Amino acid sequence: SQTIHQWPATLVQPVGSPLSLECTVEGTSNPNLYWYRQAAGRGLQLLFYSVGIGQISSEVPQNLSASRPQDRQFILSSKKLLLSDSGFYLCAWRSGRALVQETQYFGPGTRLLVL
Amino acid sequence: AQKITQTQPGMFVQEKEAVTLDCTYDTSDQSYGLFWYKQPSSGEMIFLIYQGSYDEQNATEGRYSLNFQKARKSANLVISASQLGDSAMYFCAMREGRSGGGADGLTFGKGTHLIIQP
Repeated sequence: SQTIHQWPATLVQPVGSPLSLECTVEGTSNPNLYWYRQAAGRGLQLLFYSVGIGQISSEVPQNLSASRPQDRQFILSSKKLLLSDSGFYLCAWRSGRALVQETQYFGPGTRLLVL
Repeated sequence: AQKITQTQPGMFVQEKEAVTLDCTYDTSDQSYGLFWYKQPSSGEMIFLIYQGSYDEQNATEGRYSLNFQKARKSANLVISASQLGDSAMYFCAMREGRSGGGADGLTFGKGTHLIIQP
């Protein structure tokens, strides 16, 4: 069966510091991968998605970036964090099949607090 | 305009009662998919149920069912015989067909906070 991991689980960082969040998927190959952000008490906002190694699509312009160095690894980064980057970051995967009914499955998330 | 609207920010329901969580959507696509997720306090998003735009029958998964009214563009989640463990945030989400054949992510509503009372 497929599993998705995220780390760290929680992170407290000062403004202006760099960020690296990691997501890995097991039990599948060639998945589509996604980064979402959820502000406190709000819905999910799609940040980036990737259909393959080195292929990144950005949905929202910001000071965050994403990379996919391996098939089942997705990394969210920032060179300098802002207060507004605080939130709950969720990684998700779905199969690469081009079907509207393909379900997205989410990881456990990373809670980021920027002070 | 919002693509997914959940009009109930919060709901209190007595244990064992049935619950209906509202969701309306906006799309011009003929092919689309609707998803419901549960998010307990731990934060993980748990997939509950899926309804496709071409599905003739309402989706059901155990105690979860979807009241799909295509003409009204609504896809309400029904939870039968609610339990204390059902207390959580519930999100409705959509994937539109023109992008669903690609890799675009889901569009989420703002969620409903459901609290089941003993």
